[in-house]
Amino acid sequence: DVKVTQSSRYLVKRTGEKVFLECVQDMDHENMFWYRQDPGLGLRLIYFSYDVKMKEKGDIPEGYSVSREKKERFSLILESASTNQTSMYLCASRQGGADTQYFGPGTRLTVL
Amino acid sequence: GEDVEQSLFLSVREGDSSVINCTYTDSSSTYLYWYKQEPGAGLQLLTYIFSNMDMKQDQRLTVLLNKKDKHLSLRIADTQTGDSAIYFCAETPATDKLIFGTGTRLQVFP
Repeated sequence: DVKVTQSSRYLVKRTGEKVFLECVQDMDHENMFWYRQDPGLGLRLIYFSYDVKMKEKGDIPEGYSVSREKKERFSLILESASTNQTSMYLCASRQGGADTQYFGPGTRLTVL
Repeated sequence: GEDVEQSLFLSVREGDSSVINCTYTDSSSTYLYWYKQEPGAGLQLLTYIFSNMDMKQDQRLTVLLNKKDKHLSLRIADTQTGDSAIYFCAETPATDKLIFGTGTRLQVFP
């Protein structure tokens, strides 16, 4: 079974803090994704990565950056957290060329 | 545009059938998916249908696809309280992207 893990289930940070959200997958998948989920808006793609050291902007990249130094790990970075970044963050991975994405359990981030 | 629409809520009695509907906009999508999200959890792939199919059945789940109307539905037979969750449909207009609907919250009451 594919396993996608996220470093924290719940996180509380203050405005202006730098925040790292970590995601690890154990199936040697090439592609990894970061989404945020907000009520009534569904899931929106922030960034994705085709392979190590590669990244592409999704639909809402503003205020975020990512890092993919190793194939199994994809990090989402909030350089200076703001209250409008309070959300559920979901990581996913996918074998290159396939369509099915496998999701982690999510990190609920609250920015005060 | 790339909008996938779903109604926000559905409430059904235990034992009844549930039908969750979805409309999408991109007819080039190769696969269409249904994901389930239980409270406090990530998304779990429930089922999917290839775009050249009209129907797919998997135990209590039936997926219907009407490509002409760009309409996708998920029917859950004999709905149980454990089916209470948010259900997302998703389309694949490009090979590198999934476009999700807003999600339908299914509540099952005894």
